[in-house]
Amino acid sequence: ETGVTQTPRHLVMGMTNKKSLKCEQHLGHNAMYWYKQSAKKPLELMFVYSLEERVENNSVPSRFSPECPNSSHLFLHLHTLQPEDSALYLCASSQVAPGAVSGNTIYFGEGSWLTVV
Amino acid sequence: GENVEQHPSTLSVQEGDSAVIKCTYSDSASNYFPWYKQELGKRPQLIIDIRSNVGEKKDQRIAVTLNKTAKHFSLHITETQPEDSAVYFCAVASLGELSFGAGTTVTVRA
Repeated sequence: ETGVTQTPRHLVMGMTNKKSLKCEQHLGHNAMYWYKQSAKKPLELMFVYSLEERVENNSVPSRFSPECPNSSHLFLHLHTLQPEDSALYLCASSQVAPGAVSGNTIYFGEGSWLTVV
Repeated sequence: GENVEQHPSTLSVQEGDSAVIKCTYSDSASNYFPWYKQELGKRPQLIIDIRSNVGEKKDQRIAVTLNKTAKHFSLHITETQPEDSAVYFCAVASLGELSFGAGTTVTVRA
């Protein structure tokens, strides 16, 4: 299944580096998401985009900067990260954005494993 | 987001036995309850879901039950097999926004 693809799959970066995670969805969906998955913790919603407009930002530090140039692509720009930011970052998409309709199934990408050293 | 509690955090079962995972939620307006399975190193994948107007749904060896009054829902896996070993996440949608439980690591012993 390659509906939602993420690159890179693994990334190691220093605290002073600048890098970006990329996500592309091939499902014709209108909403895209970034989630953070840390060990032993629930999935944390970071950002939601609906039709390329950001509709939610859950108090994420400014060192994470999302970009959604079109409904099929989503980026997460990373700069001056901290070791505690090491986690699996999951991109996801859904047909419509939260709030628009009930039963909105989310489809995840394989994730990008980020290690900050 | 909504507060979703998931129990147990780990579950070990003998192959062929049943596994049950329970989630509770707080928002009575929640109307959609999916379950995701995440195998080691892979993405979470939807395995079954239920809407608030239904009390039970079954798909082969997996089933989900919903008690709206008590605000809890459960995943039932029968005749467990080694390939059922994974982390299972419940989720609750309120106004379309999903909140996830912390996950249950299920290990099926051969």
